[in-house]
Parts: sequence; structure tokens; C-alpha cells
Amino acid sequence: LAKTTQPISMDSYEGQEVNITCSHNNIATNDYITWYQQFPSQGPRFIIQGYKTKVTNEVASLFIPADRKSSTLSLPRVSLSDTAVYYCLVGDWRNSGTYKYIFGTGTRLKVLA
Amino acid sequence: NAGVTQTPKFRVLKTGQSMTLLCAQDMNHEYMYWYRQDPGMGLRLIHYSVGEGTTAKGEVPDGYNVSRLKKQNFLLGLESAAPSQTSVYFCASSYTAGYSYEQYFGPGTRLTVT
Repeated sequence: LAKTTQPISMDSYEGQEVNITCSHNNIATNDYITWYQQFPSQGPRFIIQGYKTKVTNEVASLFIPADRKSSTLSLPRVSLSDTAVYYCLVGDWRNSGTYKYIFGTGTRLKVLA
Repeated sequence: NAGVTQTPKFRVLKTGQSMTLLCAQDMNHEYMYWYRQDPGMGLRLIHYSVGEGTTAKGEVPDGYNVSRLKKQNFLLGLESAAPSQTSVYFCASSYTAGYSYEQYFGPGTRLTVT
């Protein structure tokens, strides 16, 4: 299992771009990187997923360097409603025989006015 | 399309009592999961299922049992509740293999064991 390491917390101001980096030194060849967002009293919500280089959707971008030992979730122009906990997960869910997902404690992002 | 629903939303148990948490999904997902989340912590996987009639242990399976008799339902049972099982329980479901992986989470069940 690839263990992930993220900052415990981050503060930002409205309108700024926020980058949250996740370290996963032991990532395996078939592993994908997935990010989730969780608001208080709610279940996590999928944000973005990638394997290498850059992935972008309507919510965020995910940057993955060539060695794939880390990844960076980028949230453009955050608002107060982006205050949440962000989790980085690494794994190969295509292989059901070895499924095990570790959410960890995530990064608590607080957006200030 | 309700997504993932959980029953009940809240429950208070006394030590030693038993209960079953029900998770239902209407997305025809093969995979289903049960997690627990304790204050200030991330989610920990209790049990999961990769298809109807199958279950497997996650990180913290002790004290819990599960069943997946129907594809759309995943039940989590506590046979003899303990205060250490006070937590918020989340159910999730997902598709099977492929190049996209996304778990859909339910709203959670807040369980207190006194």
C-alpha cells in the first residue's frame, strides 16, 4: 500500500489559488491518485483523479510529476464554501483482490474572507 | 435517483446492545463499503464488498459483521456494542474496474454507545 502524506491544515483567502501537495513515495505502477473533499457532517465527495501529468475538470486541477511520487491538487480562486477537508488517496482499485483504501487524516483547508 | 441512502441517521445504544445499519444504493454499483470516522480523524474502512454475496475485511473489522444478500444493499451489524464504537458511519458504493474510480458516499449514521 502506498502511504500518503499531506499537510494537516492550510489557510487561504477568498479569490486565491490553493495548492495542496500529497506525497506518495511508494506509489505502484498501476496506482491512480484520487482526491476527495469532505464538508462537516457530510460524506466525502470525489473531486478529481489522475495517473500522470495534468488533469483538469470544472472543480480543480491535478498535477502529477513524471516520477509520480507526489501530486498537487490545485483549487482556483477559492471561496468560503471551499472550506473543507481534502483527502489524497492512492491505489489500484481495478484489482479487487488487493483493494484497501487509506483515507488518512487529510488536509483541513480554511478559507478566510 | 436517490444515490446512497443510510438508515438510521442517528442512534443511541447501550453497551451490549445490538443493531444493524442499512445502506442502499440505486446506481447498480458492484462495490460497496462501510467506513467509520472518529472526531478529527479520517475515514477508516471497516468492511467492503465487491459483489452480491461477497464481503471482505478492511482496516478495522473487529466487532462488526456485514452482509450483502442483495446487490443494492449492504448491512453493517454490531452484535454487542461498545463505547469504542461511538462514531459516524459512512456507507459508499462504486463501479468496478476501469480507469475511473469514484466512491459515492451516503449521508452518514451518527452512533453513540453509552
